[in-house]
Amino acid sequence: QVQLVESGGSVVQPGRSLRLSCAASGFIFNNYIMHWVRQAPGKGLEWVALIWYDGTIIHYLDSVEGRFTISRDNSQNKFYLQMNSLRAEDTALYYCARENGAFDFWGQGTMVTVSS
Amino acid sequence: QAGLTQPPSVSKGLRQTATLTCTGTNSNLGTQGAAWLQQHQGHPPKLLSYTNNNRPSGISERFSASKSGNTASLTITGLQPEDEADYYCSAWDTSLRAWVFGGGTKLTVL
Repeated sequence: QVQLVESGGSVVQPGRSLRLSCAASGFIFNNYIMHWVRQAPGKGLEWVALIWYDGTIIHYLDSVEGRFTISRDNSQNKFYLQMNSLRAEDTALYYCARENGAFDFWGQGTMVTVSS
Repeated sequence: QAGLTQPPSVSKGLRQTATLTCTGTNSNLGTQGAAWLQQHQGHPPKLLSYTNNNRPSGISERFSASKSGNTASLTITGLQPEDEADYYCSAWDTSLRAWVFGGGTKLTVL
């Protein structure tokens, strides 16, 4: 069955970096566009970034462009979100999601807290 | 980035019908399909419908979606207690080159 498992969330100080990972299984990973979507505590969903099947096309939320980098390793069935210059407003539960017309499978999320 | 607009809350009675709305612009709902997701407290979202009214396997026929112009709708018939959740719409925005979400509608089943 399809599984997405996020890891790497933590409590970090403003300005520091963090790398999130998402391990995929149960499907042909390089056939799908993959996404990161976040949800701040008590708030709604906010799309963060996407990466195409082969990594050739990438798009970001304006507020993370230049600070976050999405990447994937199709040989390992994993993709990543490198987050630099973290801000308090980046505090959220970060989900990885698969796109199949829309976001059809989600992980359980990994929590990122940016606080001094 | 501008998102989609949803009413914050809707309340309906058991076994009634609820229609949730989502308003966008020409660059998203006007030209792209809408997706609807359901999220129960403490759980990840679940896809209910995409590209206007395609339901993933296992999603009840009680959930149906439609779109007219820049507005998408999700209709839930025969409301059950387990339908009480937050509902989000989403679409690709061709101008922003980004996915946008609505702020979510909290559905209460009385």
